[in-house]
Amino acid sequence: KAGVTQTPRYLIKTRGQQVTLSCSPISGHRSVSWYQQTPGQGLQFLFEYFSETQRNKGNFPGRFSGRQFSNSRSEMNVSTLELGDSALYLCASSLEGYGGTNEKLFFGSGTQLSVL
Amino acid sequence: GESVGLHLPTLSVQEGDNSIINCAYSNSASDYFIWYKQESGKGPQFIIDIRSNMDKRQGQRVTVLLNKTVKHLSLQIAATQPGDSAVYFCAETLSGGYNKLIFGAGTRLAVHP
Repeated sequence: KAGVTQTPRYLIKTRGQQVTLSCSPISGHRSVSWYQQTPGQGLQFLFEYFSETQRNKGNFPGRFSGRQFSNSRSEMNVSTLELGDSALYLCASSLEGYGGTNEKLFFGSGTQLSVL
Repeated sequence: GESVGLHLPTLSVQEGDNSIINCAYSNSASDYFIWYKQESGKGPQFIIDIRSNMDKRQGQRVTVLLNKTVKHLSLQIAATQPGDSAVYFCAETLSGGYNKLIFGAGTRLAVHP
């Protein structure tokens, strides 16, 4: 069974641009979450999607948005990029997103975004 | 492609020794806790989890201890191997919280032959 797949692996953008990152969850998983990882702030929750609906959101500005498609694949978008948006963006999937020992969260390898 | 912190606390151990990694969690209402391992260039990998109604859980070479009184988690790795070298994160969440995990800062484990 394939794991969580994220594309692209690396991305370089300049300030003011926008970017779209893609995530394909493990087959059968319907919950997709996004996390930002930086050396300064660590791993921080961005948002979670299930059945094309955002169910939970972290404390990030509105420039960060996401969506989920009917096949559970997800994209996240960052508009008007800032230098501080440079980070590893991680996607994770689970069956239903309700947490607990029957709902392990599996992470992809991430997209490394550099904003110049 | 690694964005893990460069100034994480580091635990250095000899191959074959036991390792103990500690973590303080923040929310007394959290009821589910997970340990993840992150190797360079990869995403976090699930190691072991524990629910708040337990104080100890064992896996293969790993044990997690939970002390709710002082909001403390620990991960014990038996007979540490070079392949265990990585950054280890604890995470807490509320069941039903739609995978909103709160991660600790991480500890780097360096295993020396």
